[in-house]
Amino acid sequence: AQSVTQLDSQVPVFEEAPVELRCNYSSSVSVYLFWYVQYPNQGLQLLLKYLSGSTLVKGINGFEAEFNKSQTSFHLRKPSVHISDTAEYFCAVSSYSSASKIIFGSGTRLSIRP
Amino acid sequence: DTEVTQTPKHLVMGMTNKKSLKCEQHMGHRAMYWYKQKAKKPPELMFVYSYEKLSINESVPSRFSPECPNSSLLNLHLHALQPEDSALYLCASSQDPALAGGQETQYFGPGTRLLVL
Repeated sequence: AQSVTQLDSQVPVFEEAPVELRCNYSSSVSVYLFWYVQYPNQGLQLLLKYLSGSTLVKGINGFEAEFNKSQTSFHLRKPSVHISDTAEYFCAVSSYSSASKIIFGSGTRLSIRP
Repeated sequence: DTEVTQTPKHLVMGMTNKKSLKCEQHMGHRAMYWYKQKAKKPPELMFVYSYEKLSINESVPSRFSPECPNSSLLNLHLHALQPEDSALYLCASSQDPALAGGQETQYFGPGTRLLVL
């Protein structure tokens, strides 16, 4: 079984500041890792995903994440945030054995202050 | 077309009503999903259809009845719901579950916000 932990339920940052949203996972098998974003009153949209290979993954809107197997982490980062980045961010995990089923973390609300 | 559409956007229903939620995609995806999302919580998987056949039912009460009439359409029939069923219902699709083996991106619709009175 897999699980995902997002320790920070809310992260407030000032506009143009850097941000890191933390994600840790637990699994007994190899995993695939995802970050999804949900803007207010919308569905979820994929930001980026790690399947294999390079541990640094670049996504849309200037976000990137680094897979760290030894620390079982997949933290999301952006060097300079904008007001438009205000949203809920979900880390998620799946595996070959879980097929179509992905497990979402509890989410982190990113709020940007001008 | 990379869009998943859902209708209606909002729905208010009484506990004795019967209603249906509709989801449509034209990306040629062969897996379609229903999720339930309560406020400030992550989406919870309800059902998965793979090649128009129900492949996963996450022990959802029978008052929720999914239907996949063809590869582009997914319905969720609602009957005798409870107030605690009020939530955002999200539909998603992904390419080919037989090939992707857990790697596929899920594409989400905007959801139907349901209120049960």
